[in-house]
Amino acid sequence: AQTVTQSQPEMSVQEAETVTLSCTYDTSESDYYLFWYKQPPSRQMILVIRQEAYKQQNATENRFSVNFQKAAKSFSLKISDSQLGDAAMYFCAYRSALRGTASKLTFGTGTRLQVTL
Amino acid sequence: KAGVTQTPRYLIKTRGQQVTLSCSPISGHRSVSWYQQTPGQGLQFLFEYFSETQRNKGNFPGRFSGRQFSNSRSEMNVSTLELGDSALYLCASKFEAGNTGELFFGEGSRLTVL
Repeated sequence: AQTVTQSQPEMSVQEAETVTLSCTYDTSESDYYLFWYKQPPSRQMILVIRQEAYKQQNATENRFSVNFQKAAKSFSLKISDSQLGDAAMYFCAYRSALRGTASKLTFGTGTRLQVTL
Repeated sequence: KAGVTQTPRYLIKTRGQQVTLSCSPISGHRSVSWYQQTPGQGLQFLFEYFSETQRNKGNFPGRFSGRQFSNSRSEMNVSTLELGDSALYLCASKFEAGNTGELFFGEGSRLTVL
Protein backbone atom coordinates (compact mmCIF):
# COMPACT_ATOMS: atom_id res chain seq x y z
CA ALA A 1 0.00 0.00 0.00
CA GLN A 2 1.09 3.51 -0.68
CA THR A 3 1.70 6.03 2.07
CA VAL A 4 2.15 9.78 2.01
CA THR A 5 3.89 11.65 4.80
CA GLN A 6 3.83 15.36 5.53
CA SER A 7 6.12 16.04 8.47
CA GLN A 8 5.27 19.71 8.93
CA PRO A 9 1.90 20.14 10.68
CA GLU A 10 2.19 23.93 10.49
CA MET A 11 4.25 26.45 8.58
CA SER A 12 4.32 30.21 8.59
CA VAL A 13 5.52 32.62 5.93
CA GLN A 14 5.53 36.37 5.56
CA GLU A 15 3.68 37.93 2.70
CA ALA A 16 5.83 38.14 -0.45
CA GLU A 17 8.30 35.57 0.88
CA THR A 18 8.89 32.00 -0.29
CA VAL A 19 7.96 28.86 1.59
CA THR A 20 8.52 25.17 0.91
CA LEU A 21 6.20 22.42 2.10
CA SER A 22 7.61 18.92 2.35
CA CYS A 23 6.12 15.61 1.31
CA THR A 24 7.53 12.13 1.09
CA TYR A 25 5.78 9.03 -0.15
CA ASP A 26 6.31 5.34 -0.32
CA THR A 27 5.29 3.12 -3.20
CA SER A 28 6.50 0.12 -5.12
CA GLU A 29 4.90 1.36 -8.33
CA SER A 30 6.88 3.08 -11.06
CA ASP A 31 4.03 4.97 -12.67
CA TYR A 32 1.91 7.33 -10.63
CA TYR A 33 0.75 10.89 -10.15
CA LEU A 34 1.46 13.27 -7.31
CA PHE A 35 -0.66 16.23 -6.37
CA TRP A 36 -0.77 19.17 -4.05
CA TYR A 37 -4.25 20.24 -2.98
CA LYS A 38 -5.21 23.37 -1.07
CA GLN A 39 -8.10 23.37 1.37
CA PRO A 40 -9.09 26.86 2.57
CA PRO A 41 -11.57 27.40 5.41
CA SER A 42 -14.38 27.08 2.86
CA ARG A 43 -13.40 23.36 2.89
CA GLN A 44 -13.33 22.91 -0.87
CA MET A 45 -10.25 21.03 -2.01
CA ILE A 46 -8.58 22.82 -4.89
CA LEU A 47 -5.89 21.31 -7.07
CA VAL A 48 -2.72 23.40 -6.90
CA ILE A 49 -0.33 21.38 -9.03
CA ARG A 50 0.19 17.90 -10.36
CA GLN A 51 3.23 15.88 -11.39
CA GLU A 52 3.41 12.74 -13.49
CA ALA A 53 6.09 10.41 -12.22
CA TYR A 54 7.43 9.64 -15.70
CA LYS A 55 8.19 13.31 -16.31
CA GLN A 56 11.57 14.42 -15.08
CA GLN A 57 10.75 18.09 -15.42
CA ASN A 58 9.30 19.66 -12.30
CA ALA A 59 5.78 21.02 -12.69
CA THR A 60 5.17 24.74 -12.36
CA GLU A 61 1.93 26.72 -12.08
CA ASN A 62 2.51 30.45 -11.74
CA ARG A 63 3.85 31.02 -8.21
CA PHE A 64 3.70 27.33 -7.35
CA SER A 65 6.39 24.84 -8.27
CA VAL A 66 7.46 21.42 -7.12
CA ASN A 67 10.76 19.70 -6.50
CA PHE A 68 10.15 16.09 -7.52
CA GLN A 69 12.88 13.67 -6.53
CA LYS A 70 11.70 10.26 -7.70
CA ALA A 71 14.58 8.23 -6.31
CA ALA A 72 14.22 9.86 -2.92
CA LYS A 73 10.42 9.67 -3.13
CA SER A 74 10.17 13.31 -2.26
CA PHE A 75 7.71 15.86 -3.61
CA SER A 76 7.96 19.34 -2.09
CA LEU A 77 5.87 22.38 -2.96
CA LYS A 78 7.41 25.84 -3.24
CA ILE A 79 5.19 28.88 -3.03
CA SER A 80 6.84 32.06 -4.19
CA ASP A 81 5.69 35.60 -3.45
CA SER A 82 3.25 34.32 -0.83
CA GLN A 83 -0.10 36.04 -0.62
CA LEU A 84 -2.67 36.22 2.17
CA GLY A 85 -4.97 34.09 0.04
CA ASP A 86 -2.45 31.26 0.15
CA ALA A 87 -3.30 30.62 3.81
CA ALA A 88 -4.91 27.16 3.93
CA MET A 89 -4.30 23.47 4.62
CA TYR A 90 -2.13 21.90 1.97
CA PHE A 91 -2.37 18.21 1.25
CA CYS A 92 0.04 16.10 -0.69
CA ALA A 93 -1.61 13.19 -2.49
CA TYR A 94 -0.70 10.13 -4.51
CA ARG A 95 -2.60 8.31 -7.20
CA SER A 96 -1.58 5.18 -9.05
CA ALA A 97 -1.28 5.36 -12.84
CA LEU A 98 -1.60 1.64 -13.38
CA ARG A 99 -4.27 0.78 -15.92
CA GLY A 100 -7.41 -0.58 -14.35
CA THR A 101 -6.87 0.98 -10.96
CA ALA A 102 -9.39 3.34 -9.50
CA SER A 103 -9.01 7.06 -9.08
CA LYS A 104 -8.34 6.65 -5.37
CA LEU A 105 -6.17 9.37 -3.87
CA THR A 106 -3.97 8.66 -0.87
CA PHE A 107 -3.50 11.84 1.13
CA GLY A 108 -0.93 13.02 3.61
CA THR A 109 -1.99 14.52 6.93
CA GLY A 110 -1.69 18.06 5.70
CA THR A 111 0.32 21.19 6.48
CA ARG A 112 -1.44 24.30 7.73
CA LEU A 113 0.12 27.35 6.13
CA GLN A 114 -0.21 30.74 7.79
CA VAL A 115 0.65 33.88 5.89
CA THR A 116 1.54 36.92 7.96
CA LEU A 117 1.85 40.57 7.05
CA LYS B 1 -20.20 25.68 -15.40
CA ALA B 2 -21.52 24.71 -11.99
CA GLY B 3 -19.15 22.90 -9.68
CA VAL B 4 -19.68 19.80 -7.59
CA THR B 5 -22.67 20.36 -5.32
CA GLN B 6 -23.12 18.55 -2.04
CA THR B 7 -26.20 18.60 0.13
CA PRO B 8 -26.81 19.10 2.93
CA ARG B 9 -23.85 21.22 3.98
CA TYR B 10 -24.39 20.57 7.67
CA LEU B 11 -26.39 18.02 9.58
CA ILE B 12 -26.67 16.66 13.08
CA LYS B 13 -27.77 13.12 13.85
CA THR B 14 -27.83 10.91 16.92
CA ARG B 15 -26.24 7.54 17.38
CA GLY B 16 -28.13 4.70 15.75
CA GLN B 17 -29.76 6.86 13.11
CA GLN B 18 -28.94 6.73 9.46
CA VAL B 19 -27.99 9.52 7.07
CA THR B 20 -28.01 10.06 3.33
CA LEU B 21 -25.72 12.57 1.66
CA SER B 22 -26.09 13.74 -1.91
CA CYS B 23 -23.57 14.79 -4.54
CA SER B 24 -24.26 16.33 -7.94
CA PRO B 25 -21.16 16.18 -10.13
CA ILE B 26 -20.07 18.68 -12.70
CA SER B 27 -22.18 18.38 -15.81
CA GLY B 28 -20.76 15.68 -18.08
CA HIS B 29 -18.72 14.01 -15.35
CA ARG B 30 -19.56 10.37 -14.88
CA SER B 31 -17.15 9.43 -12.11
CA VAL B 32 -17.96 10.28 -8.51
CA SER B 33 -15.76 9.50 -5.52
CA TRP B 34 -16.39 9.96 -1.83
CA TYR B 35 -13.88 10.73 0.90
CA GLN B 36 -14.19 11.00 4.67
CA GLN B 37 -12.14 13.66 6.44
CA THR B 38 -11.60 13.52 10.20
CA PRO B 39 -8.98 15.14 12.46
CA GLY B 40 -7.77 11.72 13.60
CA GLN B 41 -7.73 9.69 10.39
CA GLY B 42 -7.30 12.46 7.86
CA LEU B 43 -8.70 12.01 4.38
CA GLN B 44 -9.74 8.49 3.51
CA PHE B 45 -11.21 7.10 0.32
CA LEU B 46 -14.68 5.65 0.69
CA PHE B 47 -15.72 4.55 -2.80
CA GLU B 48 -15.90 5.48 -6.46
CA TYR B 49 -18.79 5.15 -8.87
CA PHE B 50 -18.75 5.30 -12.64
CA SER B 51 -21.79 4.81 -14.85
CA GLU B 52 -23.85 3.59 -11.89
CA THR B 53 -21.31 0.91 -10.95
CA GLN B 54 -19.12 0.87 -7.89
CA ARG B 55 -15.55 0.72 -9.16
CA ASN B 56 -13.66 0.54 -5.92
CA LYS B 57 -14.27 0.66 -2.20
CA GLY B 58 -12.09 1.78 0.66
CA ASN B 59 -11.62 0.08 3.97
CA PHE B 60 -14.88 1.03 5.62
CA PRO B 61 -17.53 -1.18 7.26
CA GLY B 62 -20.64 -2.23 5.43
CA ARG B 63 -22.61 0.51 7.19
CA PHE B 64 -21.20 2.82 4.55
CA SER B 65 -22.83 2.40 1.18
CA GLY B 66 -23.44 4.41 -1.92
CA ARG B 67 -25.08 4.47 -5.26
CA GLN B 68 -25.08 6.42 -8.47
CA PHE B 69 -28.02 7.31 -10.62
CA SER B 70 -28.30 7.46 -14.39
CA ASN B 71 -27.77 11.24 -14.31
CA SER B 72 -24.45 10.62 -12.45
CA ARG B 73 -25.73 12.09 -9.20
CA SER B 74 -24.54 10.03 -6.27
CA GLU B 75 -25.69 9.38 -2.75
CA MET B 76 -23.89 7.85 0.15
CA ASN B 77 -25.63 6.34 3.12
CA VAL B 78 -24.36 5.60 6.59
CA SER B 79 -26.54 3.38 8.73
CA THR B 80 -26.47 2.86 12.48
CA LEU B 81 -24.43 5.98 13.04
CA GLU B 82 -21.59 5.96 15.55
CA LEU B 83 -19.88 8.91 17.22
CA GLY B 84 -16.79 8.19 15.13
CA ASP B 85 -18.72 8.82 11.93
CA SER B 86 -18.66 12.54 12.69
CA ALA B 87 -16.67 13.93 9.80
CA LEU B 88 -16.57 16.07 6.72
CA TYR B 89 -17.68 13.98 3.75
CA LEU B 90 -16.23 15.16 0.48
CA CYS B 91 -17.44 14.25 -2.96
CA ALA B 92 -15.30 14.57 -6.06
CA SER B 93 -16.14 14.15 -9.71
CA LYS B 94 -14.26 13.71 -12.95
CA PHE B 95 -15.04 12.91 -16.53
CA GLU B 96 -13.16 9.69 -16.99
CA ALA B 97 -13.17 6.47 -15.09
CA GLY B 98 -10.05 5.04 -13.58
CA ASN B 99 -6.86 6.87 -12.82
CA THR B 100 -6.81 9.60 -15.43
CA GLY B 101 -8.31 13.06 -15.31
CA GLU B 102 -8.50 15.75 -12.67
CA LEU B 103 -10.73 15.41 -9.64
CA PHE B 104 -12.97 18.33 -8.75
CA PHE B 105 -14.16 18.45 -5.16
CA GLY B 106 -17.31 19.79 -3.59
CA GLU B 107 -17.41 21.79 -0.36
CA GLY B 108 -18.43 18.78 1.66
CA SER B 109 -21.17 17.77 4.06
CA ARG B 110 -20.33 18.22 7.71
CA LEU B 111 -21.92 15.42 9.74
CA THR B 112 -22.06 15.59 13.52
CA VAL B 113 -23.19 12.51 15.42
CA LEU B 114 -24.34 13.08 19.01
